[in-house]
Amino acid sequence: NAGVTQTPKFQVLKTGQSMTLQCAQDMNHNSMYWYRQDPGMGLRLIYYSASEGTTDKGEVPNGYNVSRLNKREFSLRLESAAPSQTSVYFCASSDINPTEAFFGQGTRLTVV
Amino acid sequence: SQKIEQNSEALNIQEGKTATLTCNYTNYSPAYLQWYRQDPGRGPVFLLLIRENEKEKRKERLKVTFDTTLKQSLFHITASQPADSATYLCAPGRGGGADGLTFGKGTHLIIQP
Repeated sequence: NAGVTQTPKFQVLKTGQSMTLQCAQDMNHNSMYWYRQDPGMGLRLIYYSASEGTTDKGEVPNGYNVSRLNKREFSLRLESAAPSQTSVYFCASSDINPTEAFFGQGTRLTVV
Repeated sequence: SQKIEQNSEALNIQEGKTATLTCNYTNYSPAYLQWYRQDPGRGPVFLLLIRENEKEKRKERLKVTFDTTLKQSLFHITASQPADSATYLCAPGRGGGADGLTFGKGTHLIIQP
C-alpha cells in the first residue's frame, strides 16, 4: 500500500520552463490537495479537488493549473516557472467527510 | 478571511514535562479541527481530530481540547520525550470538501533532555 506518491522528488527548472508535478493515491479517496511550503510561511493551499471532476482554487493559485485526471491522480502544472515558485510541494488526499489527510513525500523544486 | 494562528516561536520544554501548543482561529466556525506532526523534510502526519461537539480527545500521551467559544484548540503532550520534537500543525475545517484543508503555520516544539 503506497499511499500518496509524488513524482519527481527533486527538480531544477530555468525561469520560463514548464513542468507538471504528478500525484497519485491508492486509497480511493475523493479529495486531493496541492500545497507549497516555504520557510516561515507554513503550508499554503494552492488548489484542491473535492471529488473527481471538480477543482477549486486555494490560497495561492496564481501561476499554477491543476488537472484531476481520474480519482487516483491529481497533477499540478507550472506553465512558465518563476523563481518565486521555488518551494517544496506536497500533495495530499482524504475522504470528503472529516478524516485524516495523507501526504506524499514532497517535491523540492528550484527555479533558477 | 479565515485566519489560523499558532505560536510562531519555538517552544522549548524539558523532557518529562507537559508541552501545550495553542491554535487560535478567527472569522471561521469549523466543525472540526485536526492536528498534524511534521518532521524536517517530510510531509505532515495526522495525529488527532476533534469535532465541535467534543470538548476533549485523547490518544496515548496526546490530548486535544476544542473551545468553540474561545475559538481555540489546545494540544498537550504529556511526559514529553526528545522524540516528540517536531513542528505541530493545526487545521480547522468544515468537512464536505467544500473548503479545502488549510493549516496554521505550525509551532516548532523542542524537547530538551
